[in-house]
Amino acid sequence: GAVVSQHPSWVICKSGTSVKIECRSLDFQATTMFWYRQFPKQSLMLMATSNEGSKATYEQGVEKDKFLINHASLTLSTLTVTSAHPEDSSFYICSARPWGAGRGATNEKLFFGSGTQLSVL
Amino acid sequence: AQTVTQSQPEMSVQEAETVTLSCTYDTSENNYYLFWYKQPPSRQMILVIRQEAYKQQNATENRFSVNFQKAAKSFSLKISDSQLGDTAMYFCAFMKPSYGGSQGNLIFGKGTKLSVKP
Repeated sequence: GAVVSQHPSWVICKSGTSVKIECRSLDFQATTMFWYRQFPKQSLMLMATSNEGSKATYEQGVEKDKFLINHASLTLSTLTVTSAHPEDSSFYICSARPWGAGRGATNEKLFFGSGTQLSVL
Repeated sequence: AQTVTQSQPEMSVQEAETVTLSCTYDTSENNYYLFWYKQPPSRQMILVIRQEAYKQQNATENRFSVNFQKAAKSFSLKISDSQLGDTAMYFCAFMKPSYGGSQGNLIFGKGTKLSVKP
């Protein structure tokens, strides 16, 4: 099955520092990757959509200058939380859609990374 | 805009019994996909089952099956012979197809916490 690797699994940082989270599709190419955020006991909320070679699309209310997304290759997307503050503490999950997914395709589905717990002190 | 509603925040079931989780959605689209994802305490999102809206036949995956009612916009998940390992959060999700201009992202319901009791 398709595997998405996300690192780190957890990170603790000081307020004001930046943290980078990586999301890699290991056995497939992904033109589109999604970044979600999940607060405790809540659902996943889409933060942004990243397409290889182009600028990310951010959901309303998500600060693009704070959450920098780079999708430089068909297998790697990164999320950088800049100048992190305690309110940014959350569980961040990436997901990837296989390249070539289209009309009726059986790969029209998303595969998820294992998530990153960010704690900002 | 599409919305997904799960009206049961928590449910419990005895081991080996059957439980049904409810999900309704709202959309003006005719073609789309519906999913049930499981999130155990590890927080890894695991795909349980997938339904294509243009298929009338309900999807099944071993002990998991769905009751897809397109006109009613209902998509319930039935878990048969419940096992302790089924204890998890279950999220219902909607996705527009990636052709036709959609990015193909998932829209999630708020989830149902299922506890399987021995």
